[in-house]
Amino acid sequence: KQEVTQIPAALSVPEGENLVLNCSFTDSAIYNLQWFRQDPGKGLTSLLLIQSSQREQTSGRLNASLDKSSGRSTLYIAASQPGDSATYLCAVGGSNYKLTFGKGTLLTVNP
Amino acid sequence: GAGVSQSPSNKVTEKGKDVELRCDPISGHTALYWYRQSLGQGLEFLIYFQGNSAPDKSGLPSDRFSAERTGGSVSTLTIQRTQQEDSAVYLCASSLDYMASGDGDTQYFGPGTRLTVL
Repeated sequence: KQEVTQIPAALSVPEGENLVLNCSFTDSAIYNLQWFRQDPGKGLTSLLLIQSSQREQTSGRLNASLDKSSGRSTLYIAASQPGDSATYLCAVGGSNYKLTFGKGTLLTVNP
Repeated sequence: GAGVSQSPSNKVTEKGKDVELRCDPISGHTALYWYRQSLGQGLEFLIYFQGNSAPDKSGLPSDRFSAERTGGSVSTLTIQRTQQEDSAVYLCASSLDYMASGDGDTQYFGPGTRLTVL
């Protein structure tokens, strides 16, 4: 059974810092990995999707990497802003299309 | 274009009552998913619809839960004889087609329905 762990559970940084969120998974036989953000009381917003054959994806200030063999992914946020404050969720997709989610990292970017 | 929509946004019900939650996926998306987000539990998969294929109901927690998808579009999740442990945010997502090339795997989520069972 796939298990996804996100570290740290919470992170508080001053505005402008670069930061890394970590995600690890137990079964390396994944099809893809997706990073989401969730704002309080809202649904999930897809940030980046990495296919199993890819090593990284970039969108603006965000860069996500995937190391399937070691069961790890990182989400790098450059030059963080207060608007980046949210919960970031990592989800692993297997061949059975079900996403297995981590419990998220609560990020607070202080002005 | 319009995203995934869900209704109602909030639902408060009494224990033992039935509830129906609705999801309108993104137009053209053939895959539809229901998830549940409970406090401290994270997100868990409930059910998956793909086109006209039989749905995968393996994530439904009990036989009080059922879902249907009419005309390959709108989906309704029904919870019968609600219990307090059913209180959660129910999220719906849709995608073009799982295992399709390119962005077809990306799941787009609705805002959720917050269910409170008193």
